[in-house]
Amino acid sequence: AQTVTQSQPEMSVQEAETVTLSCTYDTSENNYYLFWYKQPPSRQMILVIRQEAYKQQNATENRFSVNFQKAAKSFSLKISDSQLGDTAMYFCAFMKILGGRDDKIIFGKGTRLHILP
Amino acid sequence: GAVVSQHPSRVICKSGTSVKIECRSLDFQATTMFWYRQFPKQSLMLMATSNEGSKATYEQGVEKDKFLINHASLTLSTLTVTSAHPEDSSFYICSASKGHVNQPQHFGDGTRLSIL
Repeated sequence: AQTVTQSQPEMSVQEAETVTLSCTYDTSENNYYLFWYKQPPSRQMILVIRQEAYKQQNATENRFSVNFQKAAKSFSLKISDSQLGDTAMYFCAFMKILGGRDDKIIFGKGTRLHILP
Repeated sequence: GAVVSQHPSRVICKSGTSVKIECRSLDFQATTMFWYRQFPKQSLMLMATSNEGSKATYEQGVEKDKFLINHASLTLSTLTVTSAHPEDSSFYICSASKGHVNQPQHFGDGTRLSIL
């Protein structure tokens, strides 16, 4: 069974600083996706970034980037120039590629990130 | 972009009531929808996978007779919490997928269910 572990329950950083959220996972699969989702107080789940396991290049989306270490099964999220709107719960997630139906997403327990003014 | 609509956003009702939550994909056909439950300050726990035209697949520990799922069309899945009790109070979120590799899941805005 796959597991996703986020070891930082809560973090706080000053606005404009860079912050890194940690995530490790365990799987015997070779083909899978990894995600970071953001859940602000409004509770909507927002996809921040996605990484395909077969790609060696780390995914980036504007101020968000990941450090994907497949051998170490590590998938950290870096937020650069953090903004007040980044305050949210962040979930690391795993999905194995089954080719369509039943592509379940397995979520970590989340990291609550506070951006301080 | 793809949008998933979830309704209602908030429900408050008495113990013993059955509550239906709808999940609609607005601009794409969703062959697969997922239902999650989230307790306060906790992660999303997958309850069941809903496939159009077939029975839902429930995760271990989820009572299928308690949480009835119907995926009647390619744009609508419903979750009915039957004879709800206070312990069923939670945040329920659906997501929808087109069902093909590389297609992301799109999440609804969630339903906060409070059973008095």
